[in-house]
Amino acid sequence: AQSVTQPDIHITVSEGASLELRCNYSYGATPYLFWYVQSPGQGLQLLLKYFSGDTLVQGIKGFEAEFKRSQSSFNLRKPSVHWSDAAEYFCAVGAGPYSGGYQKVTFGTGTKLQVIP
Amino acid sequence: EAGVVQSPRYKIIEKKQPVAFWCNPISGHNTLYWYRQNLGQGPELLIRYENEEAVDDSQLPKDRFSAERLKGVDSTLKIQPAELGDSAVYLCASSREESGDPFFGPGTRLTVL
Repeated sequence: AQSVTQPDIHITVSEGASLELRCNYSYGATPYLFWYVQSPGQGLQLLLKYFSGDTLVQGIKGFEAEFKRSQSSFNLRKPSVHWSDAAEYFCAVGAGPYSGGYQKVTFGTGTKLQVIP
Repeated sequence: EAGVVQSPRYKIIEKKQPVAFWCNPISGHNTLYWYRQNLGQGPELLIRYENEEAVDDSQLPKDRFSAERLKGVDSTLKIQPAELGDSAVYLCASSREESGDPFFGPGTRLTVL
């Protein structure tokens, strides 16, 4: 069965510092990987996704993620964090090559990001 | 364009009572999802619709949960009767087609006392 592990429940970074959120997945074939952000009272917003091709994926809001098959990881990064990035971040893995990867999507438990001045 | 609309945003009920959530997807979006998000967890898919057809309801607890999307637009998710363990945020999402990126609504936070 597919699964996603986000080992960090809570991370605190200073504004302007770099950020890396960890995500490890388990999936038997080529994974379809996603990062979502959830701000308080807001719905989930897709930051970026990886289906194939270049393993370094650029997303919205200055985020990027790198797919490393050998490590079963898809870590999210941002070079300089802004106070508005404080939110909860979810990594997800999808099954099925013929639905844009949204069939049977499994989400991780999330990482809460706190940004301090 | 307007986003996914969900109502109510908050609902508090006593156990054994019925409750219903409503979702209005983005106009033109044929695919609709209902997810449940327990506290401290990621969302879990309950049901997925393609137009009015429920194409994946394998995770829907059918003894007490039901859903409908009669005209392939709005959708309602119902719980009857509610249990304490049903306290969660219920998220609706929609996409233009099954291969499209889903857009999520703000969710309905249900508290069962």
